[in-house]
Amino acid sequence: RKEVEQDPGPFNVPEGATVAFNCTYSNSASQSFFWYRQDCRKEPKLLMSVYSSGNEDGRFTAQLNRASQYISLLIRDSKLSDSATYLCVVIYINDYKLSFGAGTTVTVRA
Amino acid sequence: DTAVSQTPKYLVTQMGNDKSIKCEQNLGHDTMYWYKQDSKKFLKIMFSYNNKELIINETVPNRFSPKSPDKAHLNLHINSLELGDSAVYFCASSPRQKRTDTQYFGPGTRLTVL
Repeated sequence: RKEVEQDPGPFNVPEGATVAFNCTYSNSASQSFFWYRQDCRKEPKLLMSVYSSGNEDGRFTAQLNRASQYISLLIRDSKLSDSATYLCVVIYINDYKLSFGAGTTVTVRA
Repeated sequence: DTAVSQTPKYLVTQMGNDKSIKCEQNLGHDTMYWYKQDSKKFLKIMFSYNNKELIINETVPNRFSPKSPDKAHLNLHINSLELGDSAVYFCASSPRQKRTDTQYFGPGTRLTVL
């Protein structure tokens, strides 16, 4: 089983829609969680960290469910510019390595 | 100003050749990384250096040898290139060797081995 698993999608949504997807992780000792965004043929960039209590950044909401070992990302009022691959990242306790999921592709259409 | 830069951006070469990829960061960060992103889009860490010292060395063939002449540079040399080495290689840096630090990625080097 992969350490970090994501639904690859693609999620095709119209502008203005809400889209949400999850990422599951296998190691319960995981401590830090992030969402990175990667545009086609570009480098990954940090979108947001995921805090235990959940957090929001504008139209983006991230949640952490430790009991079920998943994190989620919700995008409200989707824009065309939100089209990208969203990478889930998990870091384990006492470890400095980022473990990446393979990404969830979101395509927002006009 | 480019924060993390890599050269070359594209590299096409024959099997068996030796090639190098260079990475430089002007952010003053202590820690640098090399990642490989294969055709399935998985990003996997290969190496990490903290202040020129190797701290992460994943299960990577010893044909891959990183070198950090100073903390702003982390180069990757690959000997005897194989078809399976074709991938995008990303360099990244972070302020410290800390789990919560954001990693800043370079633009990637797309390596194609023929």
